[in-house]
Amino acid sequence: QKEVEQNSGPLSVPEGAIASLNCTYSDRGSQSFFWYRQYSGKSPELIMSIYSNGDKEDGRFTAQLNKASQYVSLLIRDSQPSDSATYLCAVNSDYKLSFGAGTTVTVRA
Amino acid sequence: NAGVTQTPKFQVLKTGQSMTLQCAQDMNHNSMYWYRQDPGMGLRLIYYSASEGTTDKGEVPNGYNVSRLNKREFSLRLESAAPSQTSVYFCAAAIAGQGSEKLFFGSGTQLSVL
Repeated sequence: QKEVEQNSGPLSVPEGAIASLNCTYSDRGSQSFFWYRQYSGKSPELIMSIYSNGDKEDGRFTAQLNKASQYVSLLIRDSQPSDSATYLCAVNSDYKLSFGAGTTVTVRA
Repeated sequence: NAGVTQTPKFQVLKTGQSMTLQCAQDMNHNSMYWYRQDPGMGLRLIYYSASEGTTDKGEVPNGYNVSRLNKREFSLRLESAAPSQTSVYFCAAAIAGQGSEKLFFGSGTQLSVL
């Protein structure tokens, strides 16, 4: 069983809409959760980190964490064409990060 | 300040050949990692080094070896390349500890094994 699961996508949203990305994880002991963005042909870059239950907002991005449900999500508000990328959910377990397979988002003008 | 530097960026090997992927970081981070990325499978951890002088296996270590030469450098060696090792390889560095691993990635090496 894969440790980190993401909705497979691809996800296509119109410009200005909200993109919603979901992630579940299997290790109940995980304490740190991350969202990375990866443009095609590039390396992943960190966009959000969250450690406590609830919401964390950073600009147009909101990460949500529910440890009881082992669920992490990322909302992208007012989606822009520049948000078109693959989003990777990552979960810390034993000081190593496990990644989901990623969700590809396409923002159409 | 280059961050994490990987070489080479591209490499083509024949089955059975060996090669070493080089990685260096100038951020003074303790932890370093090697991941491979295949279509539809996300990033999978090959080996990691929590600190200078230590290395540990990750999820997919078979067919690879690593060396943490010093705090800055962490190399990945393929002793006898196989077509199944065709992939994009990423090196990453992070500040260790406190359960908070924020990874900084290199630009990647695209490896093809024929």
